Amino acid sequence: EAGVTQFPSHSVIEKGQTVTLRCDPISGHDNLYWYRRVMGKEIKFLLHFVKESKQDESGMPNNRFLAERTGGTYSTLKVQPAELEDSGVYFCASSQGGRAGLQETQYFGPGTRLLVL
Amino acid sequence: AQSVTQLDSQVPVFEEAPVELRCNYSSSVSVYLFWYVQYPNQGLQLLLKYLSGSTLVKGINGFEAEFNKSQTSFHLRKPSVHISDTAEYFCAVSLLNKLVFGAGTILRVKS
Repeated sequence: EAGVTQFPSHSVIEKGQTVTLRCDPISGHDNLYWYRRVMGKEIKFLLHFVKESKQDESGMPNNRFLAERTGGTYSTLKVQPAELEDSGVYFCASSQGGRAGLQETQYFGPGTRLLVL
Repeated sequence: AQSVTQLDSQVPVFEEAPVELRCNYSSSVSVYLFWYVQYPNQGLQLLLKYLSGSTLVKGINGFEAEFNKSQTSFHLRKPSVHISDTAEYFCAVSLLNKLVFGAGTILRVKS
């Protein structure tokens, strides 16, 4: 079974440009999460989808970030326009969903390393 | 609010020596606790988790952790480390629908 995949693995862009990150969760997983780690700090939650619906987007830094999950499968995270402080590693995770709730294991992808110059 | 503190940013240790990576959490409610590991150029992998029951939790690769409610700790241990254990380790607590992570501890195993 394939794990969580993310594309691209690395992205280098200039300030003001747009970048779109993609995440493909494990097949059949209803829950999809985005996290970010900036400059060696804590990994921080960005948002959570249940199927195609945003369950919680309280961690999104500002309106330059837009996440979508059309059809409840893969998700994209767009940063427009990118700023220097957006540099970091963006992780996607998925979990199956259902009654297990907080006890569920979240399976993480390898991350996308974004550098904004 | 829930938070996680990993007390050491880096832990150097010689191969075959024991190691303990410390994690303290703060929470006003029952918690579920996790340890994840990130090997170089890879994603986060679950090592072990505490949900309930026995306070000693065994995970993959010979790691174990002990949940101590009175000390609000969830320290990770391994009796004998290998070079291949060199990685960054993250302690996390679940909060509603998300994980709250500590800052990470880099374990450097030296030969």
